[in-house]
Amino acid sequence: DAGVIQSPRHEVTEMGQEVTLRCKPISGHDYLFWYRQTMMRGLELLIYFNNNVPIDDSGMPEDRFSAKMPNASFSTLKIQPSEPRDSAVYFCASSLPPWGGDPREQYFGPGTRLTVT
Amino acid sequence: GENVEQHPSTLSVQEGDSAVIKCTYSDSASNYFPWYKQELGKGPQLIIDIRSNVGEKKDQRIAVTLNKTAKHFSLHITETQPEDSAVYFCAASRGAQKLVFGQGTRLTINP
Repeated sequence: DAGVIQSPRHEVTEMGQEVTLRCKPISGHDYLFWYRQTMMRGLELLIYFNNNVPIDDSGMPEDRFSAKMPNASFSTLKIQPSEPRDSAVYFCASSLPPWGGDPREQYFGPGTRLTVT
Repeated sequence: GENVEQHPSTLSVQEGDSAVIKCTYSDSASNYFPWYKQELGKGPQLIIDIRSNVGEKKDQRIAVTLNKTAKHFSLHITETQPEDSAVYFCAASRGAQKLVFGQGTRLTINP
């Protein structure tokens, strides 16, 4: 399996522009997660989906951020308009559903490094 | 909600020595505690996990201990090697797939 695929790997954009990050989860994984990593705040969960349905978006910082999962093999995280403080590495992860009440391993993609100037 | 504190933020040890990273959590209902390793330019990868019905788990040179009463858990790496240099994250979960991560520890192994 190719693992979780993210694109682009690097994105540089100007403040005010729309940014779209893309993720393809591991085939057969029902859960998909979007994380943001910064030096100041560490690794933060933004939103996660189960069977393409958003379950918890409490980590989404504000209305400028939106995420969709139109099908089991594709998800997007959009920032509109982007701001310099959005600069971070954004990770997508996927997992199988819990088994017997126990969580399953999350597999992370390589991340997208976003720089907003 | 859950809050996970991780210490130290940086750790430097001599090759061959042991390294210990500690985490505390706030939610007594948390019952799953994974540890992830992140190498430069890559996403985090699970290295070991422990559930609340177990006090200790070992896998070759790495081990994790859990003290439910004190609400803390630790990662132990013995006989450290250069390839152990990375950032390590602890996390906690209440049994769902949602994880809350600690701030991370940058471990450096000195030759």
